[in-house]
Amino acid sequence: DGGITQSPKYLFRKEGQNVTLSCEQNLNHDAMYWYRQDPGQGLRLIYYSQIVNDFQKGDIAEGYSVSREKKESFPLTVTSAQKNPTAFYLCATTDSFQPSSNQPQHFGDGTRLSIL
Amino acid sequence: SQQGEEDPQALSIQEGENATMNCSYKTSINNLQWYRQNSGRGLVHLILIRSNEREKHSGRLRVTLDTSKKSSSLLITASRAADTASYFCATDALSGSARQLTFGSGTQLTVLP
Repeated sequence: DGGITQSPKYLFRKEGQNVTLSCEQNLNHDAMYWYRQDPGQGLRLIYYSQIVNDFQKGDIAEGYSVSREKKESFPLTVTSAQKNPTAFYLCATTDSFQPSSNQPQHFGDGTRLSIL
Repeated sequence: SQQGEEDPQALSIQEGENATMNCSYKTSINNLQWYRQNSGRGLVHLILIRSNEREKHSGRLRVTLDTSKKSSSLLITASRAADTASYFCATDALSGSARQLTFGSGTQLTVLP
């Protein structure tokens, strides 16, 4: 999706190291999400943010942290506490977080994280 | 939690044939969405069907929703080699006070030329 930029495309983490994945959007969307995808699996929600300076834990938040200081940006930090970080990470946005909005999610092209 | 479950996990067909994928879910939903993912890429939204709708069409795609059986199907007609991808259903539901999209594990579709 041209409106959502994830970087880098590939990232390698050493033992004990924190790494940060970038997600930037120019869609002016309120809500942003981080998902983790393991091989042959669906997506699992890590964190989401409905609005600037607010974010909530998803189903698998342990070992991850986020911030939402600007509407356009929602970086994800994979901390050393995440013992199995190797996965494909996807960022997504929706126009509104309201339950009745019936809006699809728009996805970036992902970051593949591996352990060195 | 994985609410949506797709069936089959993998499907291989010849070009020109129709492909049908099914999705079952467990709780009440606001809508159900289908996404497509090419290898190593992000997900692309295909179609959204609301809980009060029973059928929806978009080009060669046809989606049905049966809320009494908590199931949905995605039909791709006259398939092409370019349709080769993974297809995911996702249910949009309230979880506490938050709205969440929960994805199934996907169907890997291979269309042979």
